[in-house]
Amino acid sequence: DQQVKQNSPSLSVQEGRISILNCDYTNSMFDYFLWYKKYPAEGPTFLISISSIKDKNEDGRFTVFLNKSAKHLSLHIVPSQPGDSAVYFCAASANYGGSQGNLIFGKGTKLSVKP
Amino acid sequence: ETGVTQTPRHLVMGMTNKKSLKCEQHLGHNAMYWYKQSAKKPLELMFVYNFKEQTENNSVPSRFSPECPNSSHLFLHLHTLQPEDSALYLCASSQGQSKSYEQYFGPGTRLTVT
Repeated sequence: DQQVKQNSPSLSVQEGRISILNCDYTNSMFDYFLWYKKYPAEGPTFLISISSIKDKNEDGRFTVFLNKSAKHLSLHIVPSQPGDSAVYFCAASANYGGSQGNLIFGKGTKLSVKP
Repeated sequence: ETGVTQTPRHLVMGMTNKKSLKCEQHLGHNAMYWYKQSAKKPLELMFVYNFKEQTENNSVPSRFSPECPNSSHLFLHLHTLQPEDSALYLCASSQGQSKSYEQYFGPGTRLTVT
């Protein structure tokens, strides 16, 4: 059973508008969440993260929101640019006795930003 | 070379072949990971090495055999694979397994088993 779910396989957005990518998780032990971005023929690259003690983290055009009660996080990209077109993976990790556990990934959402 | 490199980038092999995938990291990290990414599936963690010791094997079939001779190099030896093993194989590294949330990925090897 998937612990990290990205229910939208794809998303298409107009350049300049907001892109919102969603992620749900089932394991209440997860306390660290990350978004990775992947271009074709490249490995995933880290984009932004959030600890469970926060509900928002912002880095330039990228903001991640965490709703622990709903076990939901989202990535907002404003304004969206054609170069943002990629597959976005949500990942989560749990802390076990002071050591962070391995990353659990979602299936990814393919974002297409149209000029 | 910087970051995490993987060779070959593409590999086609028959079910009776033996081949190896290579990963090298130039980041001074101590933990290395093999992931499998199949179409329409999440990245699946296969193996973890921390300071050259295998710490995790996620029920991976024995036809996949990892090797970590030092903290900078990781291999995945393949033999008698099945067509369903066709996938993108990604290598990653982190400072240590305790910092597994800060992983740096290689570009992957696209494997096709015929």
